[in-house]
Amino acid sequence: AQSVTQLDSHVSVSEGTPVLLRCNYSSSYSPSLFWYVQHPNKGLQLLLKYTSAATLVKGINGFEAEFKKSETSFHLTKPSAHMSDAAEYFCVVHNTNAGKSTFGDGTTLTVKP
Amino acid sequence: DTGVSQDPRHKITKRGQNVTFRCDPISEHNRLYWYRQTLGQGPEFLTYFQNEAQLEKSRLLSDRFSAERPKGSFSTLEIQRTEQGDSAMYLCASSLEGNTEAFFGQGTRLTVV
Repeated sequence: AQSVTQLDSHVSVSEGTPVLLRCNYSSSYSPSLFWYVQHPNKGLQLLLKYTSAATLVKGINGFEAEFKKSETSFHLTKPSAHMSDAAEYFCVVHNTNAGKSTFGDGTTLTVKP
Repeated sequence: DTGVSQDPRHKITKRGQNVTFRCDPISEHNRLYWYRQTLGQGPEFLTYFQNEAQLEKSRLLSDRFSAERPKGSFSTLEIQRTEQGDSAMYLCASSLEGNTEAFFGQGTRLTVV
């Protein structure tokens, strides 16, 4: 069994300030973990992925995430928010054996000028 | 464009009618997934194929839902006797086998009136 909890349904930051989107997971297997972003009327786009290599993962557009097994967390961060970062963000745990991904409920990021 | 394409993008149907959606994955991808996303929630796994074999189905996939991938390329998702609760965005994704990320289409938005 696997599940994902995104701890904040909405996060609001000012442009130029840091972003933190929190994600906790549970999995019976060694998981693969992903963050996807969804802009309005656009498809889901992969930001970054963790697949048992380095625990600090760098993604596109300056985003990073750190896999912490002891805390079962995979929080997404960015040092400085940009207006274009405003979107819905999904944390995902993937079970390769079962072929299915489980999505969190999403975090809406608002960036204020 | 060599991404995942879905057709149609939007579908409005009357309750009780049957609808069929099509997904064309990235050509070399052997895995194909269907998800359903309702407003304010993350995508929920419905089913996935490896080549032409349907390997897993969610319990969300009632008897009214059927998916096929007859030649291991494109896939169709049919909903029979649609209900208002079927209104959602239906997402298709494809990937290579293993821990690689899934690439998503832009979805088919179904509205049942």
